[in-house]
Amino acid sequence: NAGVTQTPKFQVLKTGQSMTLQCAQDMNHEYMSWYRQDPGMGLRLIHYSVGAGITDQGEVPNGYNVSRSTTEDFPLRLLSAAPSQTSVYFCASSYWIGTHNYGYTFGSGTRLTVV
Amino acid sequence: QQQVKQSPQSLIVQKGGISIINCAYENTAFDYFPWYQQFPGKGPALLIAIRPDVSEKKEGRFTISFNKSAKQFSLHIMDSQPGDSATYFCAARATSGTYKYIFGTGTRLKVLA
Repeated sequence: NAGVTQTPKFQVLKTGQSMTLQCAQDMNHEYMSWYRQDPGMGLRLIHYSVGAGITDQGEVPNGYNVSRSTTEDFPLRLLSAAPSQTSVYFCASSYWIGTHNYGYTFGSGTRLTVV
Repeated sequence: QQQVKQSPQSLIVQKGGISIINCAYENTAFDYFPWYQQFPGKGPALLIAIRPDVSEKKEGRFTISFNKSAKQFSLHIMDSQPGDSATYFCAARATSGTYKYIFGTGTRLKVLA
């Protein structure tokens, strides 16, 4: 059972370039989200999805785009990379039993540097 | 802006000691409070969680204490071990219908051998 798989693990981009961070989970979790982790800032929610075809913005959505065409995949697109987007990005998934939503399973992260 | 305030930022404890990390929240519409443990180069992993209808939950050496009236919760690590050295995040889940999690800023724990 792979859990949440993120690719790539490391990436260096030039300012203005675009790229897609991949996230896939094999646990049939309905809920998926993207966080960025910066020193002293903790984890901040970028975008999330409560199921295939449904996405919404989190706390820091500007400069990022997402889509959820399948339950398994939730890619994060950087439209035009900026140095302020240098961060570690985590994808996470979660599930419900009845009305109770359980904690996240996180991927191992993508360390992105924008120069 | 919903917030979860976590302290201390860093903590050094001797092996065998008790590590205590505190979190406070402002919004009473949170209904689930997990703690995550993160080792360098890894993603956070769910450690232990509590719902606000109980005041304490214990799993092995890890205990969450919850004070609903004070809107505070804390993680206690008993008999701290060098292998517990990691960054710990508290979180709170909003019940606004979308189940967003708000994370604290993290506590870097170092347990000295």
